[in-house]
Amino acid sequence: GDSVTQMEGPVTLSEEAFLTINCTYTATGYPSLFWYVQYPGEGLQLLLKATKADDKGSNKGFEATYRKETTSFHLEKGSVQVSDSAVYFCALSDRDAGNMLTFGGGTRLMVKP
Amino acid sequence: DAMVIQNPRYQVTQFGKPVTLSCSQTLNHNVMYWYQQKSSQAPKLLFHYYDKDFNNEADTPDNFQSRRPNTSFCFLDIRSPGLGDAAMYLCATSRNTDYEQYFGPGTRLTVT
Repeated sequence: GDSVTQMEGPVTLSEEAFLTINCTYTATGYPSLFWYVQYPGEGLQLLLKATKADDKGSNKGFEATYRKETTSFHLEKGSVQVSDSAVYFCALSDRDAGNMLTFGGGTRLMVKP
Repeated sequence: DAMVIQNPRYQVTQFGKPVTLSCSQTLNHNVMYWYQQKSSQAPKLLFHYYDKDFNNEADTPDNFQSRRPNTSFCFLDIRSPGLGDAAMYLCATSRNTDYEQYFGPGTRLTVT
């Protein structure tokens, strides 16, 4: 079945540092890929998405590129802020699996001033 | 603003006492989902409705039921909550199953 693997956290960075959170996936079809962010005590918010190979999703300074050859969708940001502290979930939606979301385990990001 | 609303945000119930969680949406989406998220884990899909068509995940316990009386509302009923059912319950909606999902803020359930 489909699966998503994320790097384990927590990831602790200083403000203005560069962020990379790795995400790789396994899917039978050609999935859409997503990054969701969850702030403390809140639900999930869609951060960005990509629906086909080589697409780049971007939002709020975050970027991720759909790499079919390496089955990856790594999240990057050039300069993190304290307000970026949250849990980040990589997820896929596979038409061959009914389009339900499959989530990775989540990566907690802590940004220190 | 169009949104997904969950009530209450925090719910405390006693072991074995039935509890109902509520979700409403103003997006007029066809699909509504219920997820269970335990501490430091990914959300786990319990079931979803496509319009009135109910779709249960194979490993969702019978203790969990759902109702969708109309397009806007969906309820999660836990018939006999156990201590292991303490979690955040997330509702989400989407226009169709191949469209992105919009999540509510969640209801944190405590079982005493």
